[in-house]
Amino acid sequence: GENVEQHPSTLSVQEGDSAVIKCTYSDSASNYFPWYKQELGKGPQLIIDIRSNVGEKKDQRIAVTLNKTAKHFSLHITETQPEDSAVYFCAASRTDSWGKLQFGAGTQVVVTP
Amino acid sequence: GAVVSQHPSWVICKSGTSVKIECRSLDFQATTMFWYRQFPKQSLMLMATSNEGSKATYEQGVEKDKFLINHASLTLSTLTVTSAHPEDSSFYICSARDFRLAGEYEQYFGPGTRLTVT
Repeated sequence: GENVEQHPSTLSVQEGDSAVIKCTYSDSASNYFPWYKQELGKGPQLIIDIRSNVGEKKDQRIAVTLNKTAKHFSLHITETQPEDSAVYFCAASRTDSWGKLQFGAGTQVVVTP
Repeated sequence: GAVVSQHPSWVICKSGTSVKIECRSLDFQATTMFWYRQFPKQSLMLMATSNEGSKATYEQGVEKDKFLINHASLTLSTLTVTSAHPEDSSFYICSARDFRLAGEYEQYFGPGTRLTVT
């Protein structure tokens, strides 16, 4: 089955700096890679996703890159703000498995003013 | 759009009792719903995949007789934790997809239900 590894487990950044979270996956058939933000006591919120036919996607301060050959994808947050503080999860899925998501372990991001 | 609700948001029950958690897609029809559990400071672990009108598919290690899942309609799935014990205390989260929308990969998550078994 799919295995997703996520690093780092914690990330402290100064407000205004950039944050990068990296994930690797094992199943070359995976073709959908979403990123979720989870605040304490709440459900995960989809913030950006990328499909295997695309190498990069950007939405304002958030961007995701995908390297299919190396089987890794990354989340980039620029100009971080205190409200970006949360746990971020990467995930991977393949369309022939009902879209079941395999999650990474999560990254606790703390943005200090 | 794409809102998923869960009820209750939190519940406390005594050991040995059963608890039912509801998951509803409010503005779309969910052909497939997923149930996850999450322990403190850990990732989401998939428990089961539920397709409307058919039996749920459970992940390895998840007791289907303990965690009863019913997906009776395109907007509602329920998870019943039977004979709950303190080790079942966790954060239960559902998500939903609409496979009929061509090209739709997204999974929309509910706000979660905090279960505490005393």
